[in-house]
Amino acid sequence: DAGITQSPRHKVTETGTPVTLRCHQTENHRYMYWYRQDPGHGLRLIHYSYGVKDTDKGEVSDGYSVSRSKTEDFLLTLESATSSQTSVYFCAISESGVRGYGYTFGSGTRLTVV
Amino acid sequence: GQQVMQIPQYQHVQEGEDFTTYCNSSTTLSNIQWYKQRPGGHPVFLIQLVKSGEVKKQKRLTFQFGEAKKNSSLHITATQTTDVGTYFCAGEDRNRDDKIIFGKGTRLHILP
Repeated sequence: DAGITQSPRHKVTETGTPVTLRCHQTENHRYMYWYRQDPGHGLRLIHYSYGVKDTDKGEVSDGYSVSRSKTEDFLLTLESATSSQTSVYFCAISESGVRGYGYTFGSGTRLTVV
Repeated sequence: GQQVMQIPQYQHVQEGEDFTTYCNSSTTLSNIQWYKQRPGGHPVFLIQLVKSGEVKKQKRLTFQFGEAKKNSSLHITATQTTDVGTYFCAGEDRNRDDKIIFGKGTRLHILP
């Protein structure tokens, strides 16, 4: 969807290396989310943000950290990538946060950890 | 914790047949949302239901929210090849947690 972009779209990295994924929005939405999607698990929330420098953990936050220094950017960092973090990562934005209203998802980043 | 279960996991239908996916929550929901994800794509928001017993329609798609606000369904009439994809429900329980929980989705495959 227009207004939210993820980079990179694809990445292959080695086990133990740090990786940062970027989500950029031009909608000025307050809330941003990082999900991972794996076969059989659906969409699982990693971290979310409800404003600049305000973040919180989701259900699968271990091994991940996030930062939001500007409204438009939400970064997801894998401190030391493991093979279990091979996944498709989606960023999402919401105008009204978790209290209703639909999420707009980015196109995703396919990450492979070898 | 709160769980949102979705059935079936997979569904194959002949083009022109109807399709229904069901979503059940372990807790009473404040609202429920539905998303569609095309193969290789990203989830796209379809609709949100808020009221008990609510029914909404989008062309051939009919969405229902149960009276007890613990279940929901998506029904597609006369499926077309463009309906292929995975349909997710996502429920929110404001009294319990402020996070939306996604079901695991129903993958719809259309046989020509």
